[in-house]
Amino acid sequence: SAVISQKPSRDICQRGTSLTIQCQVDSQVTMMFWYRQQPGQSLTLIATANQGSEATYESGFVIDKFPISRPNLTFSTLTVSNMSPEDSSIYLCSVGPGKFYEQYFGPGTRLTVT
Amino acid sequence: GQQLNQSPQSMFIQEGEDVSMNCTSSSIFNTWLWYKQDPGEGPVLLIALYKAGELTSNGRLTAQFGITRKDSFLNISASIPSDVGIYFCAVTHSNYQLIWGAGTKLIIKP
Repeated sequence: SAVISQKPSRDICQRGTSLTIQCQVDSQVTMMFWYRQQPGQSLTLIATANQGSEATYESGFVIDKFPISRPNLTFSTLTVSNMSPEDSSIYLCSVGPGKFYEQYFGPGTRLTVT
Repeated sequence: GQQLNQSPQSMFIQEGEDVSMNCTSSSIFNTWLWYKQDPGEGPVLLIALYKAGELTSNGRLTAQFGITRKDSFLNISASIPSDVGIYFCAVTHSNYQLIWGAGTKLIIKP
C-alpha cells in the first residue's frame, strides 16, 4: 500500500481565513479523495480528484468553498476557504483504487476554527 | 441514498473477550471492506472481501462476506488493549467511491 502524508497535521485558524491542506503520496496513484470527518463520526466524501481533470464534488460541497488541485499523480491540495467554526473537523485524503477497490488514507488534518 | 447499517454502535469489552460486529445493507455490493481507525490517525484497511460467502482471516481478525452480498461481519478473538478504536465497514460504489458504515467504537472496560 502507498505511504501518504498530510500537512499540516493540525491547525487552529481564525474565522474568515483559508487553509490549504497538502497530501503527498510516495507512488503514482490514479485517484485521490478528500473526506471530512467529525470527531467520533463516519467519513463524508468531499470530492474526487483525478490528475488532469477538474475535481468532482459531492452534494453539499462546492468548488468555491473547497477548491482542490491535483497537479500530478503524487500530490493534491484541498483548501478550506472563508472558514467558519462549522468547518472545524478532521480532513482526510485517501488514494485508490486498490486491487479490491479499497482506499488508503493519510493521517488526517485536524482543523479548529475559532 | 444507499446506507450501511453497522452495529453495535459501541462495545465495552474485557481484555481476552471475543468481539463481533456486523454491517448490513438493503442493496447488493461486490466488495466489502473493514477498516480500523485509531485516535488521531486515518483509517487503516484490515480486511477486504470480494467473494460472496468468503471467510477471511488476518491474525486474530476474521471477516465474512455474506452469501446474499448484503452483509458482512467482523470478529476479533481474544481482544487486547490495542484493539480499542473505531471499526468501520465500507463497500465499493460507483466511480470507485466508498459507502461507509457509522462505525463501531470498541472500549476496554476499566
